[in-house]
Amino acid sequence: GENVEQHPSTLSVQEGDSAVIKCTYSDSASNYFPWYKQELGKRPQLIIDIRSNVGEKKDQRIAVTLNKTAKHFSLHITETQPEDSAVYFCAAIPSNTGFQKLVFGTGTRLLVSP
Amino acid sequence: DVKVTQSSRYLVKRTGEKVFLECVQDMDHENMFWYRQDPGLGLRLIYFSYDVKMKEKGDIPEGYSVSREKKERFSLILESASTNQTSMYLCASSLGTGDYNEQFFGPGTRLTVL
Repeated sequence: GENVEQHPSTLSVQEGDSAVIKCTYSDSASNYFPWYKQELGKRPQLIIDIRSNVGEKKDQRIAVTLNKTAKHFSLHITETQPEDSAVYFCAAIPSNTGFQKLVFGTGTRLLVSP
Repeated sequence: DVKVTQSSRYLVKRTGEKVFLECVQDMDHENMFWYRQDPGLGLRLIYFSYDVKMKEKGDIPEGYSVSREKKERFSLILESASTNQTSMYLCASSLGTGDYNEQFFGPGTRLTVL
C-alpha cells in the first residue's frame, strides 16, 4: 500500500524566513496530494493541494511542488509569520482506492519566532 | 459552511468498557472517516464509510468497529477499551462524487483509557 514519509518532524524559523517541508510517497500511480494545517487545539484544515498533472501550484505565500519521477512533493511557505506556526500534514491518495482515502505523513511542527 | 461535530471533546473510560464516539456532519457528504492522531505518528485511518451501512477497514481497524445507520452520522465503537487506545480521535467527511474532495474534520475527541 501507499506509504508517505514527511521531513522534518520539527522546523523552527525566524519570522520572514522561508520554510520547506518535504514528503515522499511510494505508490507511483498516486495522483492527488493535499496539505493540511492543524493549529494548536484545532482541527486539520486543507490549505493547498496538487494533482499529478501539475508540477507547481501557488496560493499567495504558500506553494506546493511535485516531482513525479522522484515521487516527492514539497510545501513552501515564504515570508513566514507567527500565525503560520502549526503542524502541517502532507497526504496522498493511493491509486487503488475509489473512495478518496488519504494516507497521511507523520506531520511537521513549524514554529515561527517573531 | 461544513460542520462536522463530535459528541465529546474529552472522554475518560476504564479498561474493558465499551465506548461510543459519535460524529455528525450536516453537508450531506457520502464519505465519512475515523482517524486516530498520536504524536509522531500523524493521522492514521481506522475505518471509513462511503455510504449508509457501508464500511471499509482502514490501516488500523483492530479493536474498533463502526456503524453508519444514517448518512449524517458515523459512530466509532471500542468494544473493550484498552489503555493503548488512549488517543485523539478525529472524524472527517467529504463528498463522494466527482473529483478529489477536501476532507472536513471534526474538533476531535481526546479519549483517555485508565
